[in-house]
Amino acid sequence: DGGITQSPKYLFRKEGQNVTLSCEQNLNHDAMYWYRQDPGQGLRLIYYSQIVNDFQKGDIAEGYSVSREKKESFPLTVTSAQKNPTAFYLCASSIQVNEKLFFGSGTQLSVL
Amino acid sequence: SQKIEQNSEALNIQEGKTATLTCNYTNYSPAYLQWYRQDPGRGPVFLLLIRENEKEKRKERLKVTFDTTLKQSLFHITASQPADSATYLCALDDRNQFYFGTGTSLTVIP
Repeated sequence: DGGITQSPKYLFRKEGQNVTLSCEQNLNHDAMYWYRQDPGQGLRLIYYSQIVNDFQKGDIAEGYSVSREKKESFPLTVTSAQKNPTAFYLCASSIQVNEKLFFGSGTQLSVL
Repeated sequence: SQKIEQNSEALNIQEGKTATLTCNYTNYSPAYLQWYRQDPGRGPVFLLLIRENEKEKRKERLKVTFDTTLKQSLFHITASQPADSATYLCALDDRNQFYFGTGTSLTVIP
C-alpha cells in the first residue's frame, strides 16, 4: 500500500532531551512537510522540503530541526530548545509544492 | 494580520439535511483553496480543491464555492449521514505554504 508512515504513534520527552519523529513515504512525492497541531488551533507549518537535501523553515521552526537525505524520508527532531513541545505532529507529502497533501496518522508528543 | 476563520462553534445537524461550513480569510491572496476531513487522532484527508477562477466544484455529495471578492469559501455536504461526523479544515496557499483554519466540528445526528 502506498502512503505515509509516521512513528511512533505516542512519544514522551524528558526535560532537556532531544527526540526524533520518523516520517517515511512511498508515494514518490518530491515535497514533504511537518505540521504541528494544538487543540483549538489550526495546523502550523514547522518545516517543508521541496527536494532532497533542501528544506525551508515554516512559521514555527524555532526549536526544531529536519533533514532530507533521501526522497522517502523526512525526520523531525524536537530539540531541548523547544520549550512547549506537547502537541500532535503531522507529516505530509505532495507531488510538488502546493499540490494536495497526503498526511500520515500523526505522532502525539508529550512531556514527562 | 493574516487570518483564516471557520465556524467558531461546533455544528450539529439532523441526518439527511445539508451541512454548510464557512471559511473566511483576510490578508491572503490564494490561487486556490482546499478542504480536508480530520477524524479524532488521525491525519487530515483531502476532499476537494477549488481554484480562484472557479466558482463552484462538486464531488458526489460535496460542493465547494469560492468567492475571492468576499474572501470566502463555503463547503456543503448534502444528504448528510452520521458517518460525515468529523472536523473539516480549509486550507489556502500563500508563498509556497499551506495555511489551515482551525476547523469546524460537524456532528450528524441520526
